[in-house]
Amino acid sequence: QQQVKQSPQSLIVQKGGISIINCAYENTAFDYFPWYQQFPGKGPALLIAIRPDVSEKKEGRFTISFNKSAKQFSLHIMDSQPGDSATYFCAAMRGNTGTASKLTFGTGTRLQVTL
Amino acid sequence: DAGVIQSPRHEVTEMGQEVTLRCKPISGHNSLFWYRQTMMRGLELLIYFNNNVPIDDSGMPEDRFSAKMPNASFSTLKIQPSEPRDSAVYFCASRLTSVGEQYFGPGTRLTVT
Repeated sequence: QQQVKQSPQSLIVQKGGISIINCAYENTAFDYFPWYQQFPGKGPALLIAIRPDVSEKKEGRFTISFNKSAKQFSLHIMDSQPGDSATYFCAAMRGNTGTASKLTFGTGTRLQVTL
Repeated sequence: DAGVIQSPRHEVTEMGQEVTLRCKPISGHNSLFWYRQTMMRGLELLIYFNNNVPIDDSGMPEDRFSAKMPNASFSTLKIQPSEPRDSAVYFCASRLTSVGEQYFGPGTRLTVT
């Protein structure tokens, strides 16, 4: 019940195109859904996050769409740029457990944006 | 702010040797996490601490792995004895509150030959 499933495993998008990465979760108690971006040789860094009280959150070219009934959320990267080429991880967490809260990560999507 | 600091950045050791990885969390953060990343298994949570106390070590693969957090500004992950299958990138991360943003360090790339 702690699993977060992420797809696709890899994605190639042309410059200027839209990149879409999908995640599905099982635990309905999850209430925090972040996306992390990781460049080669670096640690993951928080990109954008959403809580289930909203269906969409946008920050610049990055948008999270959240479907609570389907238990799915997705990352959309508009006008994809070569500098967006990285590995993206979705994650989920149940936040209101005091000290016991931890992130459950998806398996990652390697995005390559071509010229 | 210096961010999460990990040392060493790279470690190459022979099978059977003891390996100690070090982490300094962001000042004031009260939660600390150790992860392992491999191509095959992705990003795995090994153990995490809250206020220097281990909360969940269910991800620690074997008794060969141990972690300590003697104070709020320092943690170690020790592997003794090391094996080739322990080769991976090990990340430390810290968090200010129980529900806040988690910040990752740059990682330690461990190679066991």
